[in-house]
Amino acid sequence: DAGVTQSPTHLIKTRGQQVTLRCSPKSGHDTVSWYQQALGQGPQFIFQYYEEEERQRGNFPDRFSGHQFPNYSSELNVNALLLGDSALYLCASSLLRGGYTFGSGTRLTVV
Amino acid sequence: GESVGLHLPTLSVQEGDNSIINCAYSNSASDYFIWYKQESGKGPQFIIDIRSNMDKRQGQRVTVLLNKTVKHLSLQIAATQPGDSAVYFCAELGGHSGYSTLTFGKGTMLLVSP
Repeated sequence: DAGVTQSPTHLIKTRGQQVTLRCSPKSGHDTVSWYQQALGQGPQFIFQYYEEEERQRGNFPDRFSGHQFPNYSSELNVNALLLGDSALYLCASSLLRGGYTFGSGTRLTVV
Repeated sequence: GESVGLHLPTLSVQEGDNSIINCAYSNSASDYFIWYKQESGKGPQFIIDIRSNMDKRQGQRVTVLLNKTVKHLSLQIAATQPGDSAVYFCAELGGHSGYSTLTFGKGTMLLVSP
C-alpha cells in the first residue's frame, strides 16, 4: 500500500515564477493538508482540502493556492515566487478527523 | 508562528542511554497531541499520541507524558539507538468547524553516538 506520494522531489525556480507541486494521498484517505517547512523549523500549516474545497487556511498570502481533485489528489500552486518561499513543502493525507500520514516532501529552491 | 531559526535545540546522548525530549504547547483547549520523528530528507513520521484525558502513554521504547497544568509534553526514549537520531516534533491537533489541523512545536534534534 503506497503512502503519500509527492512530486517532484526537488525543484529550482527563479524569483517571480510560478510553481505547482503535486500530492497523491494514502489509499483510503480523503483529506489533504499542505505544510511549509523552512530550514531548521517545524512545519507550518498552509491549507487543507476536503471534498475538493479549501476547508481551513493558515497564515499564508493569496499567492498560495491549491486544488483537490475527485480522486483526492491535490496540487499546491505558488505564484510570484520569493526567495523566502524556499522550503520543504509537505503534503499530509488523513481522514477528516485525523490519522495523518506525511509524504517526503518537495524541496523548493527559489533563486 | 513558532520559530527556532536555523539552530534547533540539540540533545546529544550515548547509545543505550535514556533520552527525554520536552515540548511546551500554547493552546490549553487542545485535546490531542502527537510526537513525530523526522529524519533528514523525509517527512514527519508518527511515533506516539496522547489525549488530554491521559497523563501518560507507553509504546515500544517510548513514553509520552502530558502535564496539562503547565502545558508541557515530554517524550522519553528508552535505550536510545543510533537509528533514533532525528529531529523530534510535538504537535497539537486543533481546528474548528469540524476540521482538524496540526500545529507543530519547536523541534529538537537528537544525536545518538555509538
